[in-house]
Amino acid sequence: EAQVTQNPRYLITVTGKKLTVTCSQNMNHEYMSWYRQDPGLGLRQIYYSMNVEVTDKGDVPEGYKVSRKEKRNFPLILESPSPNQTSLYFCASSLNRDRGKGYGYTFGSGTRLTVV
Amino acid sequence: QKEVEQDPGPLSVPEGAIVSLNCTYSNSAFQYFMWYRQYSRKGPELLMYTYSSGNKEDGRFTAQVDKSSKYISLFIRDSQPSDSATYLCAMIGQGGSEKLVFGKGTKLTVNP
Repeated sequence: EAQVTQNPRYLITVTGKKLTVTCSQNMNHEYMSWYRQDPGLGLRQIYYSMNVEVTDKGDVPEGYKVSRKEKRNFPLILESPSPNQTSLYFCASSLNRDRGKGYGYTFGSGTRLTVV
Repeated sequence: QKEVEQDPGPLSVPEGAIVSLNCTYSNSAFQYFMWYRQYSRKGPELLMYTYSSGNKEDGRFTAQVDKSSKYISLFIRDSQPSDSATYLCAMIGQGGSEKLVFGKGTKLTVNP
């Protein structure tokens, strides 16, 4: 089944403790992206990657890091999480030929992160 | 002015009602328009996709785009309890550097 898999689904952590949220897709998509979703603010892009070793900032990159060493994986790293990073996080992927048309985006099921 | 405005609701309707969901936008470069459906504890799923102005119908769902008014709509006919979800509009312009811009989402509940 074509899908984007995020892990973990739920995570509670303490301020300052480094964590990684993994994202993996099995559709050979070049483009991958991370979003956070907050009440009243909607979906906001954190980082995106057009291909292996190519990453760029989205709208809200502060406090996050990403890497793209393999085509299928795009982990999100919070080196020193803070309570304002408590949110629902989504990973998404698409083919680059469709990306600019907004077509064929597949989203993961989300990671609910709580930082206390 | 925000790029995309969407009334967050919530919207509660009885089963069988016609539902109208709307978004307005300010960026005239947007060419592709989408509606996503997001069930609780799930990621968004593409529901309707439209290029430029016009209507598109898929079963009980109709998407309308009026670029002259910078206004898009999603109509749901004969709404069902299974339609209860958050609906997000999204749009993107032309060119490789463009990114998807989402509305904040409207939470819809269809009561049996």
